[in-house]
Parts: sequence; C-alpha cells; structure tokens
Amino acid sequence: AQSVTQPDIHITVSEGASLELRCNYSYGATPYLFWYVQSPGQGLQLLLKYFSGDTLVQGIKGFEAEFKRSQSSFNLRKPSVHWSDAAEYFCAVGTNSGGYQKVTFGIGTKLQVIP
Amino acid sequence: ETGVTQTPRHLVMGMTNKKSLKCEQHLGHNAMYWYKQSAKKPLELMFVYSLEERVENNSVPSRFSPECPNSSHLFLHLHTLQPEDSALYLCASSLTGSTEAFFGQGTRLTVV
Repeated sequence: AQSVTQPDIHITVSEGASLELRCNYSYGATPYLFWYVQSPGQGLQLLLKYFSGDTLVQGIKGFEAEFKRSQSSFNLRKPSVHWSDAAEYFCAVGTNSGGYQKVTFGIGTKLQVIP
Repeated sequence: ETGVTQTPRHLVMGMTNKKSLKCEQHLGHNAMYWYKQSAKKPLELMFVYSLEERVENNSVPSRFSPECPNSSHLFLHLHTLQPEDSALYLCASSLTGSTEAFFGQGTRLTVV
C-alpha cells in the first residue's frame, strides 16, 4: 500500500528566508509524486509533479522539488518565501490506474510566514 | 478559479436532514472524485467516477450516496449524518490518462 509522511505539521519561516518542506513516501514501484497547496477556504492547487526523468522538478510560484529514490523523499523547496506563500502544503503519491487518479495524501504541513 | 465549482460553499444540517452537495466542471474531464478533509487527518478519497461509472467506493458509510448523472456533474447526497461527518468535502476532476486533478473550493459541512 502506498503512504506519505510529512513529518512537520507546522513550520514558521521569515519572509525572504529559504524553505524546505519534507515528504517521505512508501510505494512499491516508481511513484507519481505531487505537491499541492491549499490556501484558507480554498481547494487544492497543484504546485508540481514528478513522474520520471529529471529528478529536480520546477513548479509554479517559484517552487521546486527533488525526487530522491534512495531516501524515498520528495522535498519541496523555495529559495525565498513570500508572505503570500502562507498556506497548507500537501505531498501526495499515486498512480493513474484504469484511467483515473488513485492518490494518497500526506497530512499536510501548515506554513506560517512572519515579517 | 480551477474550473471546478462546488455548491454550496457552507452547509449546516441537522442529523435528521437530507441535503445534497453539488460539483460541476466544464473542463472536458471524464473522471470525478469526492474527498473528505477532516482536521488533522489526510484527505480521504470517498468515491471515484470514471466515464460516469463508479469505480471506487472506499468503505464509505451508506449515509453518503454519490450520483454522477453525466461527466460534468457530481452529487453527494447526505442523510442521517453524524457530527463526526463534519468536514470539508472536496470535489475534483481529471482527464483519463492525465495525472493532474483539479479541485473545487470545497463545501464546509457542519452537522449539528
């Protein structure tokens, strides 16, 4: 069975500082990996995804993530955080099985940005 | 705006009420999903419809009843809910063969 661990429930960073959100996954084959962001009162928006190829993936809003198979990790990074990045971030692992997504989400990391 | 619209955005209902949540997409997608998001828990996939057929039903209590009349619309019919069913219910859609799902803004459900 696939699973996702986000060890940090809550992270606080200063505006302009760098950010790394951790994600570890468990999956029997090569996974599809995702990061989603959820602003308060909103649905989830896809930041980036990895299927194969280059292990460093660029996403929207200046985010990137690196797939490390040896560590079963897919950490999300941003070199300089903006106040508007305050939100909840979800890592997910999944497949496209039978024509639809079968995705398991982590519990989420809530990011607070302080001036 | 993701192209997936959920109504209502907020719903308060008593345990004996019957209500329905609606999801609509005009993205040309042919798979639709209901997720439940509770505090301090990962998103739980409830139901999946692919090409208007239910393909996943993840041990969801029968007091939740989905309906997919066509590829653009998805409903979640609710009856005799419990307070622990209070949560954010998210709808999503995707295209066959795609791995990206688009989410609606959710319906915040409170059962009193």
